Amino acid sequence: DAMVIQNPRYQVTQFGKPVTLSCSQTLNHNVMYWYQQKSSQAPKLLFHYYDKDFNNEADTPDNFQSRRPNTSFCFLDIRSPGLGDAAMYLCATSRDMAGEETQYFGPGTRLLVL
Amino acid sequence: AQTVTQSQPEMSVQEAETVTLSCTYDTSESDYYLFWYKQPPSRQMILVIRQEAYKQQNATENRFSVNFQKAAKSFSLKISDSQLGDAAMYFCAYRSVNSGYSTLTFGKGTMLLVSP
Repeated sequence: DAMVIQNPRYQVTQFGKPVTLSCSQTLNHNVMYWYQQKSSQAPKLLFHYYDKDFNNEADTPDNFQSRRPNTSFCFLDIRSPGLGDAAMYLCATSRDMAGEETQYFGPGTRLLVL
Repeated sequence: AQTVTQSQPEMSVQEAETVTLSCTYDTSESDYYLFWYKQPPSRQMILVIRQEAYKQQNATENRFSVNFQKAAKSFSLKISDSQLGDAAMYFCAYRSVNSGYSTLTFGKGTMLLVSP
């Protein structure tokens, strides 16, 4: 039943130690998004893939990278996590990027940086 | 750039009562989409309701309805007959249609508390 799956649900990493978060989808959607959501704040878009085309938001730090090896999977790599990167990371998908398209969200991965 | 403002960080309602969550936005565009998303504790965000700006009729989905005032740039969500399961963070969001290639802009959210 699950349509957008994120693993793990909770991730603990050490300051400066690279970490990878994963997202998979069973919807066969063209677009996959990564959002960062800090406590009591709105989700902030980091980047998205439209098929294989990668689109980085202007203010996304270089520390954040993404890979999409195929339609179903997308990864968020944080090369050197800082304390300020502790947040919920949400993956979402949509069929395309037309205005009316619904985004389907995963349950999120909560990242803790020690 | 578009902005979305939710001025109520938290709202409370009793079961079976009605509550209205406020949202205002700023844009220079004439056509766009507005959304309300619900994020229950520890669960994924889901779409509650969607409104296209050129449609004058307010969208309705069962107990959820919107009051869309285009001139005032206001998009409030009314939840009727509130249920315990409605307790969640609610996000208002804006999306342009002009380029066919646009992303969601979210407000900061309103936490809805529902008491028995």
